[in-house]
Amino acid sequence: EAGVVQSPRYKIIEKKQPVAFWCNPISGHNTLYWYRQNLGQGPELLIRYENEEAVDDSQLPKDRFSAERLKGVDSTLKIQPAELGDSAVYLCASRQRDTDYNEQFFGPGTRLTVL
Amino acid sequence: GQNIDQPTEMTATEGAIVQINCTYQTSGFNGLFWYQQHAGEAPTFLSYNVLDGLEEKGRFSSFLSRSKGYSYLLLKELQMKDSASYLCAVRRTGANNLFFGTGTRLTVIP
Repeated sequence: EAGVVQSPRYKIIEKKQPVAFWCNPISGHNTLYWYRQNLGQGPELLIRYENEEAVDDSQLPKDRFSAERLKGVDSTLKIQPAELGDSAVYLCASRQRDTDYNEQFFGPGTRLTVL
Repeated sequence: GQNIDQPTEMTATEGAIVQINCTYQTSGFNGLFWYQQHAGEAPTFLSYNVLDGLEEKGRFSSFLSRSKGYSYLLLKELQMKDSASYLCAVRRTGANNLFFGTGTRLTVIP
């Protein structure tokens, strides 16, 4: 079974440019998460979707970040405009409800560098 | 809010045993997870504790004491491939979000 797929794996942009990340969760997983992980830190939640509904976006900087999950499967996360401090790894994770542990499965991440 | 503390770095010898501690303060505790993350890769699930006690999975074991807000991950018979960051994460009641510590970077030396 394929895991969580993310693209691109790496992205380098200049500040003030827009950027978008794409995530395809594990088939059948209703819940999808976007995290940001700074160097030497643990992941921090940006937004959580249950199917197509964003049920927790309290940590998403809404002035420049947006996300969508049309049809409750794939998701995109966008930053416009990017700032130097946005350099980080953006991780997508998915989860299937009602399993033994309800653990989250992570994708490999997109490493963003803003110059 | 929640506060999760774990050591930043640890070093251990191949074949030895290492214990990585995690302390947490949170309201509405509903489980503690340990994840392994190799450099440049995705975090992968290692273990889950929601009740007090020890959960064993091969070379890895995880312990939880809810009254003390304390957990540890025990790695036995260390191998070079165990060099990675180990992330402690807490889940709260009513939410399925995980709150991660900063991670412990373990280096296994020959």
